[in-house]
Amino acid sequence: GEDVEQSLFLSVREGDSSVINCTYTDSSSTYLYWYKQEPGAGLQLLTYIFSNMDMKQDQRLTVLLNKKDKHLSLRIADTQTGDSAIYFCAESIQGGYQKVTFGIGTKLQVIP
Amino acid sequence: DAMVIQNPRYQVTQFGKPVTLSCSQTLNHNVMYWYQQKSSQAPKLLFHYYDKDFNNEADTPDNFQSRRPNTSFCFLDIRSPGLGDAAMYLCATSRGQGREQYFGPGTRLTVT
Repeated sequence: GEDVEQSLFLSVREGDSSVINCTYTDSSSTYLYWYKQEPGAGLQLLTYIFSNMDMKQDQRLTVLLNKKDKHLSLRIADTQTGDSAIYFCAESIQGGYQKVTFGIGTKLQVIP
Repeated sequence: DAMVIQNPRYQVTQFGKPVTLSCSQTLNHNVMYWYQQKSSQAPKLLFHYYDKDFNNEADTPDNFQSRRPNTSFCFLDIRSPGLGDAAMYLCATSRGQGREQYFGPGTRLTVT
């Protein structure tokens, strides 16, 4: 079955780059997503990448996809205290019903 | 702004007393989802509507029901809440299955 794994915690200093990693198991993934969740709030879609791409950049965010290793990463440049949140990696699987599977989330702590 | 709205943001109910959570959307998306999220866990899909078609996840308890009277609204009914049902309930929408989902702010349910 599908499975998405992430490390639980990452701590960085303000102004540094953050890299959050994710691995997934299903090679038939079609879309891979990054969501951000601040305390007590819903999930905010940050960015997503189609499985035939290997990189996507959007302002301070860079997504890298290594399809061979089933590895997805999110790089946040010039990390700010407002970036402190939980980041969820998610995938959707090609098929009749494309269920989205979420990882457990990586808590990013930004130290001023 | 197009958005997903959930009411109420906080709901307290008594053990065994039925409760209804509501979700509305102005995105005109044809798919609406209900997730349950417990502390430090990934969102767990309960069920979704593809237009008027209801799709229940295999492990969703019978205690949880849903209604979608029109495109814009979707309700989550918990018939007899137990203490284990205390969680954040997230509504999401997407244009088609397996595509990026847009989340509401969530309803925090407390069961006393």
